[in-house]
Amino acid sequence: GQQLNQSPQSMFIQEGEDVSMNCTSSSIFNTWLWYKQDPGEGPVLLIALYKAGELTSNGRLTAQFGITRKDSFLNISASIPSDVGIYFCAGRRGAQKLVFGQGTRLTINP
Amino acid sequence: DTAVSQTPKYLVTQMGNDKSIKCEQNLGHDTMYWYKQDSKKFLKIMFSYNNKELIINETVPNRFSPKSPDKAHLNLHINSLELGDSAVYFCASSQDVYNSPLHFGNGTRLTVT
Repeated sequence: GQQLNQSPQSMFIQEGEDVSMNCTSSSIFNTWLWYKQDPGEGPVLLIALYKAGELTSNGRLTAQFGITRKDSFLNISASIPSDVGIYFCAGRRGAQKLVFGQGTRLTINP
Repeated sequence: DTAVSQTPKYLVTQMGNDKSIKCEQNLGHDTMYWYKQDSKKFLKIMFSYNNKELIINETVPNRFSPKSPDKAHLNLHINSLELGDSAVYFCASSQDVYNSPLHFGNGTRLTVT
């Protein structure tokens, strides 16, 4: 079945640093989504990407849909304490199920 | 005015019991889902309904039975609960079955003792 490899699995950074994480797939996707999950809550959509090569920003977050349609990355600039959480990539092709990466756990030292 | 709401938030029960989790969305979406998140935080789809019709049924034990009385509701009933069923269950909805993003509820933490 479809698999998403998300890396890194965890990150420990200092406040103010930039963060980069990525996902790669064995299959082509038409949609890439990036979510953040805080403890005790459900995943919340950060950025949605629908076109190969698309680069989209949401405040300090920037995500790109890879040209090959098999990868995507998420960057966070100038991290702040509230960025702590688990970040998930997810990919979908048409009416097929949305497949999630394993998550990247972000920890920030003040 | 919560978009996707599920109840209860916590559910503690003994092995062998039957329990239900309810989910409602007020977004006017056509498609609803149940996901299971294990202890390693991996999110795996269980079921998907579009306009009350089952469209995705992953390899889930038939002790799990979803029911969609209308397109705004998708409930999950679990029979004969087992220890391995302990997890967080998330309900989600999307505008349609294609490329629209999913909106998640806040989860139900099920603990089977």
